[in-house]
Amino acid sequence: SQQGEEDPQALSIQEGENATMNCSYKTSINNLQWYRQNSGRGLVHLILIRSNEREKHSGRLRVTLDTSKKSSSLLITASRAADTASYFCAPDQGGSEKLVFGKGMKLTVNP
Amino acid sequence: GAVVSQHPSWVICKSGTSVKIECRSLDFQATTMFWYRQFPKQSLMLMATSNEGSKATYEQGVEKDKFLINHASLTLSTLTVTSAHPEDSSFYICSATLLGTDTQYFGPGTRLTVL
Repeated sequence: SQQGEEDPQALSIQEGENATMNCSYKTSINNLQWYRQNSGRGLVHLILIRSNEREKHSGRLRVTLDTSKKSSSLLITASRAADTASYFCAPDQGGSEKLVFGKGMKLTVNP
Repeated sequence: GAVVSQHPSWVICKSGTSVKIECRSLDFQATTMFWYRQFPKQSLMLMATSNEGSKATYEQGVEKDKFLINHASLTLSTLTVTSAHPEDSSFYICSATLLGTDTQYFGPGTRLTVL
């Protein structure tokens, strides 16, 4: 298992703006998952993108994956104050099932 | 969707006592569950992988005799923090993988405070 590194570590935007966060990893993966954590709560699974996929959408979320650059991005469009949370990416090499989380990115959406 | 619950959601105990935290998959069976610990403003640190019917696999640096894990059924794993000390105060989160998928579903976490 390997750890993803999110960038930037913190982002503050106004409601209605788009938020983009990036994730880099080191070795080949089976899939990559994005999670959200509200303060003091558990993680919520947002989206999973497989290694043979380049882009995936879910509501206001858009995830891209570039396996040649070993990177992924999560775009949240038309952000809302409720999107304020920490976001984590989890590259999954497959096999062991366990995920290793990086430091995450703290997103603050100001009303 | 797949739901994972934890009980209790928070607990305060005295130093030296043991605390048990339960993790349940409510509407699915999980042969594998994971236990994480999270200190304030830090990321989740994987503590151990809990396998139904067998011994847990602990990550490096995690004391297996201090953090006892029992995965008694396909829907329940328990973490017991034995002889808890103030430095064990943390947010403990479990997760379970839905069979046939690669997705981990997380519980809401348990806040442990050791006085």
